[in-house]
Amino acid sequence: NAGVMQNPRHLVRRRGQEARLRCSPMKGHSHVYWYRQLPEEGLKFMVYLQKENIIDESGMPKERFSAEFPKEGPSILRIQQVVRGDSAAYFCASSPRKDRVNTEAFFGQGTRLTVV
Amino acid sequence: AQSVTQLDSHVSVSEGTPVLLRCNYSSSYSPSLFWYVQHPNKGLQLLLKYTSAATLVKGINGFEAEFKKSETSFHLTKPSAHMSDAAEYFCVVSDPFSGGYNKLIFGAGTRLAVHP
Repeated sequence: NAGVMQNPRHLVRRRGQEARLRCSPMKGHSHVYWYRQLPEEGLKFMVYLQKENIIDESGMPKERFSAEFPKEGPSILRIQQVVRGDSAAYFCASSPRKDRVNTEAFFGQGTRLTVV
Repeated sequence: AQSVTQLDSHVSVSEGTPVLLRCNYSSSYSPSLFWYVQHPNKGLQLLLKYTSAATLVKGINGFEAEFKKSETSFHLTKPSAHMSDAAEYFCVVSDPFSGGYNKLIFGAGTRLAVHP
């Protein structure tokens, strides 16, 4: 059973370009979370999705950021018109269900975005 | 609001000596608490979790943590450090107001260095 797969592992974008980060959850998992880790900081919650639904996007910046988890295919975190401050590691996690807060969330290896 | 404070940003120990990574939490409710480890350029791995059962929690790789409600602490310990323990460690609390899903609140992290 493969773990949570994120790609690309490293992404370099020029200011103003778009960044697309992909996350394939573990097999059988239907809940996906995105977290952002700025340099020298802990991870910060961004968004929680189930298949075809955004459940909680309270951690998402109001502009330029969007996320989706379609019925088929990976979850996508999209950042439009990237700026230097978007440079960070973006982690995806998945879990099999939401009904218990202590259910382990399994993390991917992250995508390290660098904006030049 | 829930929060987690990791008291040391860097800890350095010699191989074979004990490890203590300190964590204090703030929560109005009985929290679910976790320790995650992040090796360089890798994803996060769950070391252990506390979910209101035994206050002394044993995890993987010889780590354990003790939940002390009176001190609002959840310190991570290991009797004897190994070189492979060098990594970043995150103390994490689960947001009880998240509606039953894994909205995790991370501490800023403690970087553990192990010297020969």
